[in-house]
Amino acid sequence: AQTVTQSQPEMSVQEAETVTLSCTYDTSESNYYLFWYKQPPSRQMILVIRQEAYKQQNATENRFSVNFQKAAKSFSLKISDSQLGDTAMYFCAFMKRGNYGQNFVFGPGTRLSVLP
Amino acid sequence: DVKVTQSSRYLVKRTGEKVFLECVQDMDHENMFWYRQDPGLGLRLIYFSYDVKMKEKGDIPEGYSVSREKKERFSLILESASTNQTSMYLCASRGQLNTEAFFGQGTRLTVV
Repeated sequence: AQTVTQSQPEMSVQEAETVTLSCTYDTSESNYYLFWYKQPPSRQMILVIRQEAYKQQNATENRFSVNFQKAAKSFSLKISDSQLGDTAMYFCAFMKRGNYGQNFVFGPGTRLSVLP
Repeated sequence: DVKVTQSSRYLVKRTGEKVFLECVQDMDHENMFWYRQDPGLGLRLIYFSYDVKMKEKGDIPEGYSVSREKKERFSLILESASTNQTSMYLCASRGQLNTEAFFGQGTRLTVV
């Protein structure tokens, strides 16, 4: 079974600063995907960024980037130039690669507050 | 845009009632999921379905059942609601060839 751990229940950052959210996972699988999802106060979960485990290059999406360390089973999210709209719960998630019926395993979440 | 719609944002039910949470998606996705979200525990999978009439138990299926009679609709049923089922319930869907899951806006259920 896979597990996902997020060791920071809450974090805060000043607007325009950079913040890094941590995530570690445990799996015996070699082919999988990792995700960061954002849940703002509106409760709508939104995909922030996705990483394929077989790709060594770290994924980036505008101000969001990841540091994927496969051997260490670590998958951190860096948010640059933080904006007030980044205030949200952030969930790290894992999914095995497979033909069908694959489901997600989520971490407990990190509540990020961006301060003006 | 993919849309996943949950029938209620807020629901208050009495202990022992039978409760139906409905979820509809409009993108012909094969996979649908029900999660329960509790503070400090993240999202925990209750049930998922990878095809019509197919269902698989997740990590916390006790006290719940599901129904998927049509591809676009996935219902979560609480046979006899209890106070420990007070929680946020999130529905999600995912296409078979995609990795991204799309979520509904959640139903906050309170059992009194």
